Amino acid sequence: HSALTQPASVSGSPGQSITISCTGTSSDVGGYYYVSWYQQHPGKAPKLIIYHVNNRPSGVSNRFSGSKSGSTASLTISGLQAEDEADYYCSSYTTSSTWVFGGGTKLTVL
Amino acid sequence: EVQLVQSGAEVKKPGESLRISCKSSGYSFTNYWITWVRQMPGQGLEWMGRIDPSDSYATYGPSFQGHVTISADKSISTVYLYWSRLEASDTATYYCGRFNDYTGERFFDPWGQGTLVTVSS
Repeated sequence: HSALTQPASVSGSPGQSITISCTGTSSDVGGYYYVSWYQQHPGKAPKLIIYHVNNRPSGVSNRFSGSKSGSTASLTISGLQAEDEADYYCSSYTTSSTWVFGGGTKLTVL
Repeated sequence: EVQLVQSGAEVKKPGESLRISCKSSGYSFTNYWITWVRQMPGQGLEWMGRIDPSDSYATYGPSFQGHVTISADKSISTVYLYWSRLEASDTATYYCGRFNDYTGERFFDPWGQGTLVTVSS
């Protein structure tokens, strides 16, 4: 399974909304609801922010939301804040009983 | 509190062996699987493999099969990642993460703090 496809970078101003896409195939994103999103600040471990396409763990802001259409999943961050500036990774379970990550998207808050 | 605490940074030479660890606490160790993820310098996340600590059954991603070994010690709630012969290209930060394959919770949470492995002659 090749890495899922994410844009290398996105940017937005405080208060705006941005969406990060994550494109796979019918063997991963398109075949399961096991899509998750992780936020990673520089020098820190990844942190789960969305699981099973559109579920937020306890403690994660409701400004983060997820969705999926076919083989493309999306992460939307509304009301952008400076603290949202980080790298974001999508991940999916696959038909090979493995996991695959996206290449990562660097979010810049202008 | 559920925690995964990893061993400290390592500096090794090519050809040497290495084992790094991920110690679990705050939950029943054998009820959850553990995964390992590689992050090379300035790069993205790569899934390496996973283990069921209840029976030490491990599976690996194609890029890592035969190059690393994942094992578990139930007596001390610890999972290991082992290299018998390191290469310079193994230089990376390695993260462990918890998930529950039994209940279909196929996401990684929480994660360990990461272990930086540097391989250089």
